[in-house]
Amino acid sequence: GAVVSQHPSRVICKSGTSVKIECRSLDFQATTMFWYRQFPKQSLMLMATSNEGSKATYEQGVEKDKFLINHASLTLSTLTVTSAHPEDSSFYICSAQEGRGPSGYTFGSGTRLTVV
Amino acid sequence: TQLLEQSPQFLSIQEGENLTVYCNSSSVFSSLQWYRQEPGEGPVLLVTVVTGGEVKKLKRLTFQFGDARKDSSLHITAAQPGDTGLYLCAGSFNDMRFGAGTRLTVKP
Repeated sequence: GAVVSQHPSRVICKSGTSVKIECRSLDFQATTMFWYRQFPKQSLMLMATSNEGSKATYEQGVEKDKFLINHASLTLSTLTVTSAHPEDSSFYICSAQEGRGPSGYTFGSGTRLTVV
Repeated sequence: TQLLEQSPQFLSIQEGENLTVYCNSSSVFSSLQWYRQEPGEGPVLLVTVVTGGEVKKLKRLTFQFGDARKDSSLHITAAQPGDTGLYLCAGSFNDMRFGAGTRLTVKP
């Protein structure tokens, strides 16, 4: 089956620094990838839709200058949290869609970001 | 604002009991998915329902899609401690949106 690799799985960074999270589709090409954020004991909230070769589409309330998304190839999307603050600490999860069917979404294993 | 209302949000039951989780929306979905998520991991797809009125079974789990494709339910028969986890419904438009989730605890 389709596999999405997300790296790193855990990262701790200092306030004010930037952190990059990678999302790779290992055995399929994904023109569209999605980035979610999940706070403790809450559900996944869509942050943005990453489109290969074009600008990402951000959900209302998500700062595009703070959460930089780059989808430079059909197998890789990156999310960079810039000037991180403790309130950015969260579980970030990406997903990639293979094909057009409704079952085609595969999720990465997530990245636990802690900003100290 | 959640497009999908999921209930209950928390459920704690004894092993062997049955339970039902509900997922409702005012929107019509082309498809609806149910996921299960373990702590520190990404969600894993359990089932996709596409046709109004559709019923799918996965061992002790029964999934139903409402006739109007606005709601769905997940029924677990004879729950086991291994069923403990976060159950999420998600609806597909051009992207995928999740319900608030149901955190299930099955006590031995």
